Amino acid sequence: EVKLVESGGGLVQPGGSLRLSCATSGFTFTDYYMSWVRQPPGKALEWLGFIRNKANGYTTEYSASVKGRFTISRDNSQSILYLQMNTLRAEDSATYYCARDYYGLFAYWGQGTLVTVSA
Amino acid sequence: DVVVTQTPLSLPVSFGDQVSISCRSSQSLANSYGNTYLSWYLHKPGQSPQLLIYGISNRFSGVPDRFSGSGSGTDFTLKISTIKPEDLGMYYCLQGTHQPFTFGSGTKLEIK
Repeated sequence: EVKLVESGGGLVQPGGSLRLSCATSGFTFTDYYMSWVRQPPGKALEWLGFIRNKANGYTTEYSASVKGRFTISRDNSQSILYLQMNTLRAEDSATYYCARDYYGLFAYWGQGTLVTVSA
Repeated sequence: DVVVTQTPLSLPVSFGDQVSISCRSSQSLANSYGNTYLSWYLHKPGQSPQLLIYGISNRFSGVPDRFSGSGSGTDFTLKISTIKPEDLGMYYCLQGTHQPFTFGSGTKLEIK
């Protein structure tokens, strides 16, 4: 059974940092791209970026809204995906989801973790 | 970036109705190999989004056949026949052909 479990969300001050984790199981982690998606309260889903699989060198791509502030990485030995978020803003407040990415479709998602950026 | 325009924003329904949701993209979602990465999701409050349709018209495992997808190029439709209570929620399309991937703005399926 494929499982994705996010953790690390919480309250952080503007300008602060936070690292989210996504622990995975039930599939060969290194075979898949992995994406992060967020949903601000009352707004639509937004794709943030992905990290490619082993065959594609684990390189990353980001949306313009987070490029330069957020970094996606992976620990392939433990099948964990990370999202390092720096210089956080109020508009980064959202529920953050990790998702297993296969050609731009997300068949499996984590349960989400809430990030609140506020003073 | 590819803009995906999803309509309508809200869709009041009665159980048993048939409805359609549209997504139109600002450029073709067919890549140079002829593949089109357009998928549809249902997002219920307090839950993770769930994949319904991928590759325009392929139902994901376990998705009832009252859900169907169609379209090509820049124009795509999700059709839901015989709406049931468990179908209520937010529907999103997602284009995964061009980076950055982009979601539609969502359609809220709600009871009249």
